[in-house]
Parts: sequence; structure tokens; C-alpha cells
Amino acid sequence: DVKVTQSSRYLVKRTGEKVFLECVQDMDHENMFWYRQDPGLGLRLIYFSYDVKMKEKGDIPEGYSVSREKKERFSLILESASTNQTSMYLCASSSTPNSPLHFGNGTRLTVT
Amino acid sequence: QKEVEQDPGPLSVPEGAIVSLNCTYSNSAFQYFMWYRQYSRKGPELLMYTYSSGNKEDGRFTAQVDKSSKYISLFIRDSQPSDSATYLCAMVGPTGTASKLTFGTGTRLQVTL
Repeated sequence: DVKVTQSSRYLVKRTGEKVFLECVQDMDHENMFWYRQDPGLGLRLIYFSYDVKMKEKGDIPEGYSVSREKKERFSLILESASTNQTSMYLCASSSTPNSPLHFGNGTRLTVT
Repeated sequence: QKEVEQDPGPLSVPEGAIVSLNCTYSNSAFQYFMWYRQYSRKGPELLMYTYSSGNKEDGRFTAQVDKSSKYISLFIRDSQPSDSATYLCAMVGPTGTASKLTFGTGTRLQVTL
């Protein structure tokens, strides 16, 4: 079974802090994704990566960056956290660009 | 108008009932359709994956796609309390590329004893 692990379930950060959200998958998947999930807005794609060192902007990349130094690890970075980045963040992976997504259990981030 | 519309619920049904969950969409290019189940404080997990129109059955779950009406449904037979979760529909165009997935906002289902 594919396992996508997000290092933190809950995080509380202050406005202006630099925040790192970590995601690791254990199935040697090429493709990894970061979404945020907000009530009434559903899942929105922030960034994705089809290969190590490669990254592509999703639908809402502003205020975020990503890092993929190793195939199994995909990090989301909030350069300067703001209150409107309070959300549930979900990491996902897939074996090919067309395969269904496997999600982690999410990190609920609160920025105060 | 959102590309994918889904009633947020909550939908409350008694155990054993047949549940119908629905999504409508506006983009006629969508060809791959998915249903994800998300338990509270968990990530979404894939339930059903269908291509184009028609029905697909998997145990108590049936996914139905009507492309002419731009309408998809998920039916749950003999619903159980363990089916209580939020159900998300998702769809994508002919490339099937995950980065182009469009999700509904989810319907919260509660199955009561």
C-alpha cells in the first residue's frame, strides 16, 4: 500500500515566519503534489513535481515555494506566513502523471 | 460559476439506506471521473475511477456518469455508519493529467444507527 506521510498533523505559526511542510512517499512515485483544502473552496493545487529537481506552479502558487531534492520527499515552503494561509495542506503522489492520487493525512496549519 | 458543483450537505441517512451523491459540471471536455472518500482528520482516498459515460460497480458502490447531462453520481447500497465521511468528486480532461484535476467541494454524509 502506498504511504504518503506528512511530518506534522498540526502546526501553529506566527505571521511572517518561514514555514516548512514536509511530505515523504514510500512507493518510488515520480509525481508529487501539494494542495490546500478550504471549506467551500475544495482542493486547490499549489505546486507539483514530475521529477526530482523539477517543479511546476499549480493554480495558487503565490506565497509558496517547493523543494524536491530527493524523489521521495517534496517540501512546501511558506516564505513569510500570513493569516490567509491558515488551511489544511494535503500532499499527494502518483506513479504516472495520469494515475490516481494517493494523499497523506494532511497538515492543519494555523497562522496567527 | 464553479466548474464542478457539489452539494455540501450534510446528508443524513439511516443505516441500510441507499445513498445517492451527485456532482454537476460545466466543462464538456472532462472525460475521467473519480470519487474520493475523506474521513474526518484524514486525507482523501480513491473510491472509484471511471472513464467516459456509463456505470461502474465495486461492491456496495456504483459510479454513474452521464456526459450528455454533465452529471455524475455515486450510489452506496446498504449504507453503514462506517460510510460516514465527506465524498469528493474529481474530474479531468482527455489527457487525464493529475495536475489538471478539478475537485468538487465535497458532500458530508452521516449514516445513523
